[in-house]
Amino acid sequence: GAVVSQHPSWVICKSGTSVKIECRSLDFQATTMFWYRQFPKQSLMLMATSNEGSKATYEQGVEKDKFLINHASLTLSTLTVTSAHPEDSSFYICSAIAGGGETQYFGPGTRLLVL
Amino acid sequence: QQQVKQSPQSLIVQKGGISIINCAYENTAFDYFPWYQQFPGKGPALLIAIRPDVSEKKEGRFTISFNKSAKQFSLHIMDSQPGDSATYFCAASIGGFKTIFGAGTRLFVKA
Repeated sequence: GAVVSQHPSWVICKSGTSVKIECRSLDFQATTMFWYRQFPKQSLMLMATSNEGSKATYEQGVEKDKFLINHASLTLSTLTVTSAHPEDSSFYICSAIAGGGETQYFGPGTRLLVL
Repeated sequence: QQQVKQSPQSLIVQKGGISIINCAYENTAFDYFPWYQQFPGKGPALLIAIRPDVSEKKEGRFTISFNKSAKQFSLHIMDSQPGDSATYFCAASIGGFKTIFGAGTRLFVKA
């Protein structure tokens, strides 16, 4: 149980385009989902917390207009990187918590390369 | 105060040996301390977790030791195997939220 999927697993795009990444909880309802960013050989940095049906809460230094997060249902959250630039290239990972729980279950990650 | 300090940065252990990774935190509001294992190109996977009212928790070959007064906790991997070679992250959170990750430890188990 507690499986989280992400799609796509990797994406290459041109600078200036937008990219959407989906995060789904497959066998549980996720009241809260998190989005992380991880640079090579570095730790995970929390970008934002999203709750179903409400606006995401962004961490300090994360541009909310650049990283659009939508959590439309209890099993789906999306991260859209708008007007992507090469410095946005990174490994993006989502996680999900079931209602009342405290354990985060992570997705497999999405590698984004912006040319 | 929000940092979680993890050491060592890298670790090489012989097959069958014990791998020990240490973490320290400052914020006493943290109440949930998970350990994650991450293989290259994959998302982190939960290994084991502990709450501060417990001093030790064991699951298979993995043991967490927790010292609340010292604000330190550690992961012990017994009988380490080459398949354990991965990056390990400690973390601290408040009820699963506002999770802060350690910098990670790259473990290599020599066959």
